[in-house]
Amino acid sequence: SQQGEEDPQALSIQEGENATMNCSYKTSINNLQWYRQNSGRGLVHLILIRSNEREKHSGRLRVTLDTSKKSSSLLITASRAADTASYFCATAAISGAGSYQLTFGKGTKLSVIP
Amino acid sequence: DGGITQSPKYLFRKEGQNVTLSCEQNLNHDAMYWYRQDPGQGLRLIYYSQIVNDFQKGDIAEGYSVSREKKESFPLTVTSAQKNPTAFYLCASSSSGTARGNQPQHFGDGTRLSIL
Repeated sequence: SQQGEEDPQALSIQEGENATMNCSYKTSINNLQWYRQNSGRGLVHLILIRSNEREKHSGRLRVTLDTSKKSSSLLITASRAADTASYFCATAAISGAGSYQLTFGKGTKLSVIP
Repeated sequence: DGGITQSPKYLFRKEGQNVTLSCEQNLNHDAMYWYRQDPGQGLRLIYYSQIVNDFQKGDIAEGYSVSREKKESFPLTVTSAQKNPTAFYLCASSSSGTARGNQPQHFGDGTRLSIL
């Protein structure tokens, strides 16, 4: 099955800096979603961008989607220590069974240093 | 508050034993999912259910079984046939299931399963 791949695998920045994470995928999608996971916890949905959208904002988050390049980026502006977590992209596409499924990448581990 | 409750938080399995992980949601969601997460990896889909009394295999269903007798509950059994069960198991739900694919999934806080 297709899988999003995040880049970089790990990112360490100073508090106040911006953090950019990228996601690439292989086949056509219905939408792309970004999730956050704190250590030992479940995932929390951050933002969903549909295949006909190019950019979306939510607070300090900005997501772009380029379907021609099959890639997406997540920008976190003015990062805080509390943003330290793993970030996953997930692509929604029709599976072989004819229903939509989410396929997750391996994630980017972000560390924000106070 | 609405949400998804997974229990137990930690679980240990002996060789040859079946264990059942609980997942309950009070979000009134139709669809529920089970994922497995290995260290440093993304999530892989084990089983999903779009409606009561119906469920479908995901990418790694071998050695696992599920039931969906109630809308609120989607327990996962890790059978003795699953030879490498040590992982972090996450349950999720969504409002419109996979039929439209444009709804976010809500996750529980996971069960960490280890082998004794």
